[in-house]
Amino acid sequence: DTGVSQNPRHKITKRGQNVTFRCDPISEHNRLYWYRQTLGQGPEFLTYFQNEAQLEKSRLLSDRFSAERPKGSFSTLEIQRTEQGDSAMYLCASSLAGTGLSTDTQYFGPGTRLTVL
Amino acid sequence: LAKTTQPISMDSYEGQEVNITCSHNNIATNDYITWYQQFPSQGPRFIIQGYKTKVTNEVASLFIPADRKSSTLSLPRVSLSDTAVYYCLHTGGFKTIFGAGTRLFVKA
Repeated sequence: DTGVSQNPRHKITKRGQNVTFRCDPISEHNRLYWYRQTLGQGPEFLTYFQNEAQLEKSRLLSDRFSAERPKGSFSTLEIQRTEQGDSAMYLCASSLAGTGLSTDTQYFGPGTRLTVL
Repeated sequence: LAKTTQPISMDSYEGQEVNITCSHNNIATNDYITWYQQFPSQGPRFIIQGYKTKVTNEVASLFIPADRKSSTLSLPRVSLSDTAVYYCLHTGGFKTIFGAGTRLFVKA
């Protein structure tokens, strides 16, 4: 399977703990995105990377959240001092940036479901 | 930022054609129109994308009028497994804004 993969698929943690999620994009894709999705809502954009550079961060991404993509391949999303409001599905997507009048189609992974007790 | 409007939910029966319409009132010149499908506990899955007129692939057709202020996703002969949430977006570059989507429920 050469799609986007995410690990772990499920994470249960206690309030105040730190958690880290990993995303492995489609190998030739240069863009990587993180989203958060709560029940009944569409995915909300958190941040995106072009290669190893983090080019955009949403205001939703508080200082407890940090994302890295050190070698332009896989990415990690860390949440420090988790809160119950952080409970959600965290989705990763990747794309191959186009040129000219085009848009990059994002391919999503299966997500990591976080439950903060 | 780009935002779309689509029905909250739709019901259909197996074998029927389903059309879901979305409005893109503030679509930009360079934006494409993209539709995704999402099943519970899975990530969204790309269905189809277009810029104008009609696009067809093996799962759906996308109709976009000349003014590009709306789009219609057409699913031919739906089955129970097409029960899902369908999102329409207009995307330019990396900015992708999802709405709440349309919940399609296909009944036997």
